[in-house]
Amino acid sequence: SAVISQKPSRDICQRGTSLTIQCQVDSQVTMMFWYRQQPGQSLTLIATANQGSEATYESGFVIDKFPISRPNLTFSTLTVSNMSPEDSSIYLCSVGQGKGETQYFGPGTRLLVL
Amino acid sequence: QKEVEQNSGPLSVPEGAIASLNCTYSDRGSQSFFWYRQYSGKSPELIMSIYSNGDKEDGRFTAQLNKASQYVSLLIRDSQPSDSATYLCAAFYGGATNKLIFGTGTLLAVQP
Repeated sequence: SAVISQKPSRDICQRGTSLTIQCQVDSQVTMMFWYRQQPGQSLTLIATANQGSEATYESGFVIDKFPISRPNLTFSTLTVSNMSPEDSSIYLCSVGQGKGETQYFGPGTRLLVL
Repeated sequence: QKEVEQNSGPLSVPEGAIASLNCTYSDRGSQSFFWYRQYSGKSPELIMSIYSNGDKEDGRFTAQLNKASQYVSLLIRDSQPSDSATYLCAAFYGGATNKLIFGTGTLLAVQP
């Protein structure tokens, strides 16, 4: 499976600011996904980021709040904009193989918004 | 609404016993099912996938799928304290949906 890294691994931010999370993969992948995992909860898909097309957002997530870039086949960023304490969560990127069903996760970014 | 349901636990088993983790899914449209293990403070790690009815074995792990009952399970034989983690079940829906749906996870505690 691909080796996936994320930066930063954790951050503490002030409300109203924005944070950009980077996801780097050691091989070219078509499908990348961004998830959120709130404390004690399961994973919720934010958006699918396929290279060469606009990100596809899930219900409840909008581009203005979570803009995503996918400039090439090994890299993606997720920005959490105008943060509030409710955005405190773990943000995970994953890469998909096959039709996207087999997914491998990066180590995650732990975000705390004060 | 496509859903995956798991008992949140905790499921407590003694070391050396068989741990049985269960999962049901709501939509027959899914063809692919996955078990992830998530240690506290870590990201999910894929441990098993299953696509066909029946059993699939990998070392101490056996995944079982019953599409008629919309039921997926994971058996862990000879459970070890290092198996203590949250186990997430996921179902993949293709086509227009094209995404993994995760259950809420079952916390497994293996007692030494």
